Amino acid sequence: GAVVSQHPSRVICKSGTSVKIECRSLDFQATTMFWYRQFPKQSLMLMATSNEGSKATYEQGVEKDKFLINHASLTLSTLTVASAHPEDSSFYICSARDHRVLGYGYTFGSGTRLTVV
Amino acid sequence: AQTVTQSQPEMSVQEAETVTLSCTYDTSESDYYLFWYKQPPSRQMILVIRQEAYKQQNATENRFSVNFQKAAKSFSLKISDSQLGDAAMYFCAYRSGTYGGATNKLIFGTGTLLAVQP
Repeated sequence: GAVVSQHPSRVICKSGTSVKIECRSLDFQATTMFWYRQFPKQSLMLMATSNEGSKATYEQGVEKDKFLINHASLTLSTLTVASAHPEDSSFYICSARDHRVLGYGYTFGSGTRLTVV
Repeated sequence: AQTVTQSQPEMSVQEAETVTLSCTYDTSESDYYLFWYKQPPSRQMILVIRQEAYKQQNATENRFSVNFQKAAKSFSLKISDSQLGDAAMYFCAYRSGTYGGATNKLIFGTGTLLAVQP
């Protein structure tokens, strides 16, 4: 089945530094990838939708300059948390859509737990 | 805008028993997809079952089945013969049937935390 690899699984960084999270579709091409943020015991909150070769579409309230998304190839999307602060600490999950599967085909990465100290 | 509501924050079931998780949604569209995802403590999202709105027959995957009531905009998940490994957070999700752009995104409910008692 479709596999999405997300790295790193955990990261601890100092306040003010930037962190990059990678999301790779391993056995399919993903023209669309999604980035979510999840707080403990809460639902997934969509941050942005990225399409290969074009600018990401951010959800209302998500800071574009803080959460930089790049989708340069059909198998890789990255989320960079710029100048991270403790309030950015959260669980981030990516999802890639396999367009060969009509209507669905969403595969999720295993998530990244970001802790900003 | 579409919304998904899960009114049961937590549920509990005895091992081997049956439990039903509720989900309602609001949409003006006639073509869409509905999903149930499971998120165990590992936090990996796992697709449990999906339903195309144009299909009248309820989807079934082994011990998991749905009761899809399109007119009532209801999409409940039934877990039969519950097992300890079923303990997880369950999310109901909606996706528009219109293709392209933002309509590709999944809209999630708030989740139901299912505990399975031995």
